[in-house]
Amino acid sequence: GAVVSQHPSRVICKSGTSVKIECRSLDFQATTMFWYRQFPKKSLMLMATSNEGSKATYEQGVEKDKFLINHASLTLSTLTVTSAHPEDSSFYICSAAPNGQYSNQPQHFGDGTRLSIL
Amino acid sequence: SQKIEQNSEALNIQEGKTATLTCNYTNYSPAYLQWYRQDPGRGPVFLLLIRENEKEKRKERLKVTFDTTLKQSLFHITASQPADSATYLCALAPEGGGNKLTFGTGTQLKVEL
Repeated sequence: GAVVSQHPSRVICKSGTSVKIECRSLDFQATTMFWYRQFPKKSLMLMATSNEGSKATYEQGVEKDKFLINHASLTLSTLTVTSAHPEDSSFYICSAAPNGQYSNQPQHFGDGTRLSIL
Repeated sequence: SQKIEQNSEALNIQEGKTATLTCNYTNYSPAYLQWYRQDPGRGPVFLLLIRENEKEKRKERLKVTFDTTLKQSLFHITASQPADSATYLCALAPEGGGNKLTFGTGTQLKVEL
């Protein structure tokens, strides 16, 4: 089945550090990937849609200069949290789908990255 | 504004019983609805997808119904097992299709021996 790998699984770093999270589709190509943020006991909140070869589309209220997204290949999207602060601490999850350019596709999720900013 | 509601309180049931989880939505006409399972510290895992013109979908011990008049989906797990304990999320796709999903807050299910 379709597998999405996310790395690292956990990051603990000091305030002001920039952190890069990778999302890879291991056995399919993904022209579109999605980045979510999840707070404890809360729903997944869509942050942005990552588009291969073009700019990401950000949801309302998400700072694009704070959360940089790069989708340079059909199997890799990266999310960089720039100058992270404690309020950026959260669980970040990516997803993708084979043939994601078509509708009605189940999403395959990575296992998330737990980011803790001290 | 668009809203998706799932029971915020945890659902505790006995092994072997049927678990029923509810997903209600307002101000929304989704093209289709999906259900996911999420274990602590993990990403969601896809379970079932049901389209707006389908009333019911089954997969092994799972059954999903979709009532676009009531704006509600029910998710059933029959013959529940402790291994079914997890948080279950419903997700809606936008009108007209597309893969950008909006998730409910999830319902935590605990199946006890």
